[in-house]
Amino acid sequence: GAVVSQHPSWVICKSGTSVKIECRSLDFQATTMFWYRQFPKQSLMLMATSNEGSKATYEQGVEKDKFLINHASLTLSTLTVTSAHPEDSSFYICSATRREGGVHEQYFGPGTRLTVT
Amino acid sequence: TQLLEQSPQFLSIQEGENLTVYCNSSSVFSSLQWYRQEPGEGPVLLVTVVTGGEVKKLKRLTFQFGDARKDSSLHITAAQPGDTGLYLCAGDSWGKLQFGAGTQVVVTP
Repeated sequence: GAVVSQHPSWVICKSGTSVKIECRSLDFQATTMFWYRQFPKQSLMLMATSNEGSKATYEQGVEKDKFLINHASLTLSTLTVTSAHPEDSSFYICSATRREGGVHEQYFGPGTRLTVT
Repeated sequence: TQLLEQSPQFLSIQEGENLTVYCNSSSVFSSLQWYRQEPGEGPVLLVTVVTGGEVKKLKRLTFQFGDARKDSSLHITAAQPGDTGLYLCAGDSWGKLQFGAGTQVVVTP
């Protein structure tokens, strides 16, 4: 159990366009999902916390109008990168939280490689 | 601000050798998780430790959580090339994970 999928796995888009990334928990319900960004040879940087049915909470320095997050159901969260620019090129990873015996465990999706040309 | 310090940053060893990765913090965490990540993929959860002083074994991997729940270690016995990857520790702070910078482990045949 605890499988998280992301779609697409990679995407190339032109500068100025918007890109939507989906994150799904396949075999469990996740009240909370997280979106991360990872640069080459670096650790994960938390962008925002997504709660089902409410507005996402963004980390300091992350533009909420640029990175739109929607958590429509207990198994689906989407991240839309609006008006993408080359500096938005990165590896975006989502995670979904499952509560197991009082402990919150995060399970990660396989990531989405975004390249903006 | 990186709340979790991982060391070493990089480790290259021969197959069959042992290795230890450390994760230290000045903060107390309700739980700590270890992940392994391979290039182009998401991190895979290896273990979650919750109780101070806890030791968990997963085949050749041994995880320890410090008594004060501020630090942890991962020990791999008789490393194999399949153990190659980026090892990340992450402390749970009110439902959010604070990640260490990671330790890149390379095991050569």
